[in-house]
Amino acid sequence: AQKVTQAQTEISVVEKEDVTLDCVYETRDTTYYLFWYKQPPSGELVFLIRRNSFDEQNEISGRYSWNFQKSTSSFNFTITASQVVDSAVYFCALSEYEKLTFGTGTRLTIIP
Amino acid sequence: DTGVSQNPRHKITKRGQNVTFRCDPISEHNRLYWYRQTLGQGPEFLTYFQNEAQLEKSRLLSDRFSAERPKGSFSTLEIQRTEQGDSAMYLCASSGAGVNTDTQYFGPGTRLTVL
Repeated sequence: AQKVTQAQTEISVVEKEDVTLDCVYETRDTTYYLFWYKQPPSGELVFLIRRNSFDEQNEISGRYSWNFQKSTSSFNFTITASQVVDSAVYFCALSEYEKLTFGTGTRLTIIP
Repeated sequence: DTGVSQNPRHKITKRGQNVTFRCDPISEHNRLYWYRQTLGQGPEFLTYFQNEAQLEKSRLLSDRFSAERPKGSFSTLEIQRTEQGDSAMYLCASSGAGVNTDTQYFGPGTRLTVL
């Protein structure tokens, strides 16, 4: 069975600090996708990134960057120069055919 | 607004009553998913449709739950004889077009409270 572990339940940082959210996954599949979603207080899950298991290149999008390492089964997410609007719950997810398996999420609070 | 929409956004019901939720996916998407999210947890998969065919159901989907997608467009999720344990956020997602064909885009959810 697939499993996603987000060991950090809650993180608080002061605005403008960098923060990294950890994600570790387990799967027997050789082909899979990894995702990050953001869930602000409004409740809607917002898609951030999808990574194919064959593509280990790191990705940067503005203040966001992702580090995918198959050797350690990790897909970590870093926010640089955090802002108050980044406050939300962040979920890492792993695809199994059409089903997503989510971690329990990390609640990120940015303190102004 | 071309995103996934869900109605109602909130539903309060008494134990034993039946409830029905609706999901309208992104128009060009042929796949539709239902998830349930309880407080402090990540979403859990319930079921999935490709067009009108229901292709997978989780064991979480007891016989009190039924989902339909009659014409391959909108979907409904019905819960019969609701129980307090059914209180949760019910999320709908869709996928299936363009570059991100395997990416699921979520709606705002329906929050169910069973008294």
